[in-house]
Amino acid sequence: GQSLEQPSEVTAVEGAIVQINCTYQTSGFYGLSWYQQHDGGAPTFLSYNALDGLEETGRFSSFLSRSDSYGYLLLQELQMKDSASYFCAVGSDYKLSFGAGTTVTVRA
Amino acid sequence: ETGVTQSPTHLIKTRGQQVTLRCSSQSGHNTVSWYQQALGQGPQFIFQYYREEENGRGNFPPRFSGLQFPNYSSELNVNALELDDSALYLCASSLEDGGLEAFFGQGTRLTVV
Repeated sequence: GQSLEQPSEVTAVEGAIVQINCTYQTSGFYGLSWYQQHDGGAPTFLSYNALDGLEETGRFSSFLSRSDSYGYLLLQELQMKDSASYFCAVGSDYKLSFGAGTTVTVRA
Repeated sequence: ETGVTQSPTHLIKTRGQQVTLRCSSQSGHNTVSWYQQALGQGPQFIFQYYREEENGRGNFPPRFSGLQFPNYSSELNVNALELDDSALYLCASSLEDGGLEAFFGQGTRLTVV
């Protein structure tokens, strides 16, 4: 079967750094993606890793370790607008499957 | 470059009815995937169309069906609606099947009463 695990909630203050971990178990794996979704909005693409290592895109970075079936999304210099749900999604068998999401709350 | 658009944005249907949701993919994208998102949960993969053929399906019954047209737009049809079908239905397009970078539409909020 397939499984994806990520924390359900994270709270942090403005300016802080947050790391959202994602562990997965699946066959036919070819990459890990991250998406942000604000309340009532559509998921928007943030980053993906097809190979091991770190990908940096502005304040957001994503990491993948294929041998550990593990990845994370790093949010730096948190801003109030970063309050949203964040989903990891595994690419396997030529489709994307999403985790349950992590709600990030940024406090002033 | 136009983004992914879905219609309608909201819909209320009665249990047992049928519904058709529509999606226009982003320009240049040949793959469309459909997801169901219940409140507080992640998007659940329904199925994917690549070049007009269904090439992947999640754990959804056959009353969920779809089509992709030559211009790569797509429809999701749900027959015999049940109360549990109430959810946000999202369409996503990508450059290739199973693409890690998917672009989502705003979704259709379906309520079944």
